[in-house]
Amino acid sequence: QVQLVESGGGVVQPGRSLRLSCAASGFTFRNFGLHWVRQAPGKGLQWVAIISFDDSTKSYEDSVKGRFTISRDNSKNTLYLEMNSLRPEDTAVYYCAKDRGSTGVTRGLDYWGQGILVTVSS
Amino acid sequence: QSALTQPPSASGSPGQSVTISCTGTSSDVGGYNYVSWYQQHPGKAPKLMIYEVNKRPSGVPDRFSGSKSGNTASLTVSGLQAEDEADYYCSSYAGNNYVLFGGGTKLTVL
Repeated sequence: QVQLVESGGGVVQPGRSLRLSCAASGFTFRNFGLHWVRQAPGKGLQWVAIISFDDSTKSYEDSVKGRFTISRDNSKNTLYLEMNSLRPEDTAVYYCAKDRGSTGVTRGLDYWGQGILVTVSS
Repeated sequence: QSALTQPPSASGSPGQSVTISCTGTSSDVGGYNYVSWYQQHPGKAPKLMIYEVNKRPSGVPDRFSGSKSGNTASLTVSGLQAEDEADYYCSSYAGNNYVLFGGGTKLTVL
């Protein structure tokens, strides 16, 4: 069965960096687009970034553009999110999610990880 | 880019039907047939309930249905059951490889 498992979260000071990983299994990883979606405590879902199946397309939510970088390693079935210049408002549970499609055109996120908490605080 | 607009809450009694709206613009909901709906129970990851406006993934009960008219999409839950009580989020492709979510609707089964 499809599994997505996030790791790398924790507490970090404002201005510092953190890298999240998402290990995937149970599907042909290299064929699908992938996303990061976050949820601040008690708030709704917020899309963060997308990467296409072949790494040719990457796109970001406006508030993280220039600070976050999404990447993937199709040989390791792993998705990453490099987060720099972190701010308190980046505090959230971060989910990785699989797209039903392969490109930057989102066709629905059909599998989600369990989420990982990132807390930005001094 | 602004979030899609959903009512903060909705409710219905067991067996009844409830419809949740999701309003965007011609640049997102109205411009593409890539609207999705997600169910989220407290402390759990979201679950895809509807994709491409009105398609149900395998395993999702046919009590859940989706539709779209102009810039507004809708999720209808028929024959409400206690386990349907959850938060529901709509999402739409918004062009240029961008995705928008709605603010979420808390569905209460009375």
